[in-house]
Amino acid sequence: KAGVTQTPRYLIKTRGQQVTLSCSPISGHRSVSWYQQTPGQGLQFLFEYFSETQRNKGNFPGRFSGRQFSNSRSEMNVSTLELGDSALYLCASRVGLAGALSPRETQYFGPGTRLLVL
Amino acid sequence: AQKITQTQPGMFVQEKEAVTLDCTYDTSDQSYGLFWYKQPSSGEMIFLIYQGSYDEQNATEGRYSLNFQKARKSANLVISASQLGDSAMYFCAMRGPVYNQGGKLIFGQGTELSVKP
Repeated sequence: KAGVTQTPRYLIKTRGQQVTLSCSPISGHRSVSWYQQTPGQGLQFLFEYFSETQRNKGNFPGRFSGRQFSNSRSEMNVSTLELGDSALYLCASRVGLAGALSPRETQYFGPGTRLLVL
Repeated sequence: AQKITQTQPGMFVQEKEAVTLDCTYDTSDQSYGLFWYKQPSSGEMIFLIYQGSYDEQNATEGRYSLNFQKARKSANLVISASQLGDSAMYFCAMRGPVYNQGGKLIFGQGTELSVKP
């Protein structure tokens, strides 16, 4: 089974621009999460989508948004880029069992998109 | 609030020796899961091992084992017979019940492991 894929892998933008990152989950996975990784803040949760609905959101400004399509693929968008948005953006997918009580569901990560804002 | 603490920013280990990476956590949830991920320089997070809060036995996956001490709120990763390819960043992560927190993972700051030949 193919793993989580993310495109593009590398991206250079300038301040004020906007960017869209794409994530294709593992086949059969219905939940997609996004994380931002920076040297200073570490790994931080951005948001999670399940069945095209945002189910959980981290503490990020409204410039960060996302969506999920009916085939579970997800995109995240960052508008009005700032220098501090330079980071590795990781996407992760999990099966997304409805009503699951167990935290056992493992999230599998993609290779990430490295965004550099100049 | 949930929190993960990894107190070892960097560690060295000789090839073929065992190494323990420390992780302590804090949560008020009764049901939670603890994960370890490996991140090579390429950036991808690779799942290594999982331990559930109600699991009575310590988890093992090949050369990886998790030393789970619930009363002390610690979940240390033990890598036996280290290999050069084990050199990477290692992250401990926690998640509460999926039904009210979804898939959100809380990560520690990571430990950079270097394996010396």
